[in-house]
Amino acid sequence: AQSVTQLGSHVSVSEGALVLLRCNYSSSVPPYLFWYVQYPNQGLQLLLKYTTGATLVKGINGFEAEFKKSETSFHLTKPSAHMSDAAEYFCAVSYSGTYKYIFGTGTRLKVLA
Amino acid sequence: EPEVTQTPSHQVTQMGQEVILRCVPISNHLYFYWYRQILGQKVEFLVSFYNNEISEKSEIFDDQFSVERPDGSNFTLKIRSTKLEDSAMYFCASSYRDYLSGELFFGEGSRLTVL
Repeated sequence: AQSVTQLGSHVSVSEGALVLLRCNYSSSVPPYLFWYVQYPNQGLQLLLKYTTGATLVKGINGFEAEFKKSETSFHLTKPSAHMSDAAEYFCAVSYSGTYKYIFGTGTRLKVLA
Repeated sequence: EPEVTQTPSHQVTQMGQEVILRCVPISNHLYFYWYRQILGQKVEFLVSFYNNEISEKSEIFDDQFSVERPDGSNFTLKIRSTKLEDSAMYFCASSYRDYLSGELFFGEGSRLTVL
């Protein structure tokens, strides 16, 4: 079955350090790929997406992700963490081209002062 | 900024009771969705809805679940006879298009606790 794996349910980084959140998908057929962020008491917000074209995708708040077909990965990075980045991050894929997403379990990012 | 709103934010109910979760999608959106997340598990697709009918549903969305858009603004999820395993956060979402050139907007979620 198609699935999405996010390594690390909790990740802690120091303020100013690199943020790396991992996402791998299971299918040999490349899907459409998304990262969502959820701040406390808020809905899921789209950070960035890959549908076609350039494999390095830039999103909001300084985040970016690179689609690597050979590794079936779509890891999320940010060069320098900010306290406001503390949130839960969800990787999602769509194989159908619609919003029937398959989500990962989420990674809660903690930023240490 | 337009947003998807959901009520209630938290509902506690007894097993076997009916529950209705309400959502007000963004006003010009045409496609509507429900997802849920059981605590500690993945966010799962439940159902998509367009033009007053279900366009797609998952295996989770059995006969205990129903959706409707009763008045052109609200979009509801009804669970007829709740079970303990229905305890979850339920997310409503809406989009203008059902393909990925647009964006899917999520609400804050309604937490359902079944006792």
